[in-house]
Amino acid sequence: DTEVTQTPKHLVMGMTNKKSLKCEQHMGHRAMYWYKQKAKKPPELMFVYSYEKLSINESVPSRFSPECPNSSLLNLHLHALQPEDSALYLCASSKTGGGAGGNQPQHFGDGTRLSIL
Amino acid sequence: GENVEQHPSTLSVQEGDSAVIKCTYSDSASNYFPWYKQELGKGPQLIIDIRSNVGEKKDQRIAVTLNKTAKHFSLHITETQPEDSAVYFCAATGPNTGNQFYFGTGTSLTVIP
Repeated sequence: DTEVTQTPKHLVMGMTNKKSLKCEQHMGHRAMYWYKQKAKKPPELMFVYSYEKLSINESVPSRFSPECPNSSLLNLHLHALQPEDSALYLCASSKTGGGAGGNQPQHFGDGTRLSIL
Repeated sequence: GENVEQHPSTLSVQEGDSAVIKCTYSDSASNYFPWYKQELGKGPQLIIDIRSNVGEKKDQRIAVTLNKTAKHFSLHITETQPEDSAVYFCAATGPNTGNQFYFGTGTSLTVIP
């Protein structure tokens, strides 16, 4: 069992739908991440939140909108997605986002498998 | 930015044999190197990591070695078991990256019973 919980596990949506992915951790971590992973590829970083503030946005299209309501929760709001957005979306967390504390291991959830029709 | 290469892309070994996966990195400032195991339908799971002030680290059947001069690090799995079958990713990161990980392309390991 992972300590990072993602819901839903599977999601099928049409290109005009609006949906949200949710991620939760209770390890007291202050950095949280969204990744996109295609089959047989490594995870690709999308967003990083450090102390609830967006610190990295890897030029992700605006149809993906992240939100960090508090230190335990991370959401990814989806709107008007394209078929090529079908992928596994992974959330991860770490104690801090680097800096004076040094680099920290990231702990991943099991992801949301997203299919766009 | 950092570039991490990983080899081989696929690896098959007999149960009980050893498996070695190698990664190279480009940025000499990188100082933290985690390894992840990803089973089918699961997220990546951290299995071992090493920092640049250490040359080798071992945890039961798993070990990681780091050669800073050559900028490469390797994962060694001894006495492989069928449950070791998975995709393994190496990663590298350094100071001033906001803890952003640069992943290798992955190695699909199959342990044949």
